Amino acid sequence: DADVTQTPRNRITKTGKRIMLECSQTKGHDRMYWYRQDPGLGLRLIYYSFDVKDINKGEISDGYSVSRQAQAKFSLSLESAIPNQTALYFCATSDLGRQGLEDGYTFGSGTRLTVV
Amino acid sequence: GENVEQHPSTLSVQEGDSAVIKCTYSDSASNYFPWYKQELGKRPQLIIDIRSNVGEKKDQRIAVTLNKTAKHFSLHITETQPEDSAVYFCAANLPGTASKLTFGTGTRLQVTL
Repeated sequence: DADVTQTPRNRITKTGKRIMLECSQTKGHDRMYWYRQDPGLGLRLIYYSFDVKDINKGEISDGYSVSRQAQAKFSLSLESAIPNQTALYFCATSDLGRQGLEDGYTFGSGTRLTVV
Repeated sequence: GENVEQHPSTLSVQEGDSAVIKCTYSDSASNYFPWYKQELGKRPQLIIDIRSNVGEKKDQRIAVTLNKTAKHFSLHITETQPEDSAVYFCAANLPGTASKLTFGTGTRLQVTL
């Protein structure tokens, strides 16, 4: 299912380095999200965007920034990576269904980031 | 904001038995409750969802029940098979312009032969 694509799939970086994770989608959805997954903690929201001009912080936004370059593209940046940002990162998209009701997310394949 | 608690964190069942995973949510305004399955090394995928205007929904061997009064919802898997082994996440949504999902911490289901 290539309609939500994340790059890179895996990345090892050093403490203090800047790194960007990219997400692109072909679903035509307006809503995009960045989550991180840690064992035992589930999926936690970092940032979300409901259209190109809309950016919102999630519950764990400190140390991260985002850019919504187009409807189809939503990038996550770590300005100065630290080891506790080692995690699996997922991008997701969603939209309102035919009845204007919230629909479930479509997740990308994830980026496994290791900060050493 | 919304808080979602999920239990148990791990669950082991024998093939053919049923499995039940339970979640509670904090905000009575929540109106959408999806369940995701994440196989090892894969992305989470939506398997079933329920909205607050119904109490139960079924899709073959899986079903979800919702108790709005108690603010809890459950995933039921019958006749479990080895391919049901995965991590399952529940989630709840708050309606409105800032609508987004809050996830539970996940349940690792192991179906043994």
